[in-house]
Amino acid sequence: EPEVTQTPSHQVTQMGQEVILRCVPISNHLYFYWYRQILGQKVEFLVSFYNNEISEKSEIFDDQFSVERPDGSNFTLKIRSTKLEDSAMYFCASSYLPGTAEGYTFGSGTRLTVV
Amino acid sequence: GENVEQHPSTLSVQEGDSAVIKCTYSDSASNYFPWYKQELGKRPQLIIDIRSNVGEKKDQRIAVTLNKTAKHFSLHITETQPEDSAVYFCAAGFRWDRDDKIIFGKGTRLHILP
Repeated sequence: EPEVTQTPSHQVTQMGQEVILRCVPISNHLYFYWYRQILGQKVEFLVSFYNNEISEKSEIFDDQFSVERPDGSNFTLKIRSTKLEDSAMYFCASSYLPGTAEGYTFGSGTRLTVV
Repeated sequence: GENVEQHPSTLSVQEGDSAVIKCTYSDSASNYFPWYKQELGKRPQLIIDIRSNVGEKKDQRIAVTLNKTAKHFSLHITETQPEDSAVYFCAAGFRWDRDDKIIFGKGTRLHILP
C-alpha cells in the first residue's frame, strides 16, 4: 500500500533556529497538507497546497512558516525561527481527490522538539 | 469556521462491551465525516467515514451514524478488544470547491479493561 513518507522522525532544535520538515507524498496525489499535533491535544490543520501554491492556511500558519514543493516528489515545511511552542508532532498528508477530505493519507509524522 | 466537539474525552469499557463516542459539528455545510484511530506515537489512521447523504455505515465491529438535522455523528464499537485501546478522533470536512481540510475533534482516549 502506498505511503506518505516523512523525515526525520524526530528532530531536536534550539529556539530561534530554522528547521525543514520533509515529506514525500504518494506519487499520484496532487493535494498536500501539513497538520500539527501538540502532545496530548487534537490534530490541527496548518496548510493545504495544490498546483504549486497554498490553497488555504490556518491562523497558526503565520509568517514563520512556509511550504515548498522543490521538485516532483518532496513537500517541505519550513519554520524560520522556531519557538518553544512549536514543539509538536507534524503530520504531512496527501490526497488525490480534488475539493474533498476523502482519500487522505497521513504520514508517520515528525516529532519536533524545540529546546 | 467549522468547530467539532467530541465526547467523552476518556472512556473505559470492559472487554467485550460496546463503546460509543459522540461528536457534534457546527457548520451545516460539512458533508464528510471521517473517524481516525491514533495509537501512541503514531499517525492517525482512517477507520471509517461517512458522507452526509448516508445515515449509517457499518464495517464489521465498527459503525458510524450521522444525524444531519441535529449535526451530530457517533462511532460505535461493538465486542471491544484490547487492541481497540487508542485515541479516536472524529472530524468534519467538505466536498466542494477546494476547501478540503479536515477539522478534528479533541479526541477520546478509549481504554479496554480486561
